[in-house]
Amino acid sequence: AQKITQTQPGMFVQEKEAVTLDCTYDTSDPSYGLFWYKQPSSGEMIFLIYQGSYDQQNATEGRYSLNFQKARKSANLVISASQLGDSAMYFCATQRGTGKLIFGQGTTLQVKP
Amino acid sequence: KAGVTQTPRYLIKTRGQQVTLSCSPISGHRSVSWYQQTPGQGLQFLFEYFSETQRNKGNFPGRFSGRQFSNSRSEMNVSTLELGDSALYLCASSAWTGTDTQYFGPGTRLTVL
Repeated sequence: AQKITQTQPGMFVQEKEAVTLDCTYDTSDPSYGLFWYKQPSSGEMIFLIYQGSYDQQNATEGRYSLNFQKARKSANLVISASQLGDSAMYFCATQRGTGKLIFGQGTTLQVKP
Repeated sequence: KAGVTQTPRYLIKTRGQQVTLSCSPISGHRSVSWYQQTPGQGLQFLFEYFSETQRNKGNFPGRFSGRQFSNSRSEMNVSTLELGDSALYLCASSAWTGTDTQYFGPGTRLTVL
């Protein structure tokens, strides 16, 4: 069965620095997708970035990039030039069947001024 | 385009009561998924609907049910509320297949007293 592991419960980063949030996954599906979401204290889940297992290049979206290492089954999120507004909970997720996302436990990121 | 909307945003109920939560997907999206988020269990998938049909279901008791209307709006119902049902309930919509990126609403925070 699919499983997502996020081993960093909490992280701190200085404003304007880059930070990497770890995510490892376990799946037997030959084709899969990996997602990262941001959840501020307000509760809404905000989609950040997607990586397909057959994508040749690592996904990038603005300040967000995904360091995808298929052989190691890792899909780490890199946030460059951290901003105070990046303080939130971050979830890595993968799809299991139609409409079902399996989430990791999340990483709380705090950006220090 | 308007995002996913959920009503109500906050709800307080007592044990034994029932509750109905509503979700309006992004215009044109036909798949709606529901999730429960608690501090102890994290984010867990409840069910997914597409074209008024439930296509996928998580591991929740029968007290949790849902439906989808012809305009893709969805409702979920929890009967005979228990204290453990206190959670943030999130709905997400995706464009077509249910394997597309899911976009989340702001959530309904349910408190059961």
